Amino acid sequence: DTGVSQDPRHKITKRGQNVTFRCDPISEHNRLYWYRQTLGQGPEFLTYFQNEAQLEKSRLLSDRFSAERPKGSFSTLEIQRTEQGDSAMYLCASSTNEKLFFGSGTQLSVL
Amino acid sequence: SQQGEEDPQALSIQEGENATMNCSYKTSINNLQWYRQNSGRGLVHLILIRSNEREKHSGRLRVTLDTSKKSSSLLITASRAADTASYFCATPESGTYKYIFGTGTRLKVLA
Repeated sequence: DTGVSQDPRHKITKRGQNVTFRCDPISEHNRLYWYRQTLGQGPEFLTYFQNEAQLEKSRLLSDRFSAERPKGSFSTLEIQRTEQGDSAMYLCASSTNEKLFFGSGTQLSVL
Repeated sequence: SQQGEEDPQALSIQEGENATMNCSYKTSINNLQWYRQNSGRGLVHLILIRSNEREKHSGRLRVTLDTSKKSSSLLITASRAADTASYFCATPESGTYKYIFGTGTRLKVLA
């Protein structure tokens, strides 16, 4: 059990650029989650997968956000045309039951 | 949207004292979980309590659940400086594995 791995750890980008984050869940975990967290707030749900199927995407998420989980293994989260308001910590978690295992997150700064 | 609201938002205590934080939620649940987050890191699962349980213990942690009041409390006994962190409750939306986190309690334990 090597834990949930997220890459990169930090990302600085200019407004308008596209960014992509990767998450490698704990092997055999069938559910994978993406959350966004800003300073002083709790994690905000973005989307989650069961195997390769995306079960739900937050209504708060604009069309600039897209996530994939090909073959039910790793997942990518892409943000197109980034805005300063996208600056946040993006957290990935995986699970096989009710307990979620989190990665260390990707800190995004949009300048 | 945040399903849970923690109270207090921030708590500062001396080492050795007990820390109590509360979580209120809005809808019916089948379980409630508590997580800890050290600054700039991912969340770590602490304890899960099911809707048919009223109290659960794990080491220095004691969790209670009152489904009639839709509230839970987390008690950390004999606190240590290493307990300094943010604590979040998480509940699933009805009939799903979509977990919604509260706003968090920021605990500071002074040595």
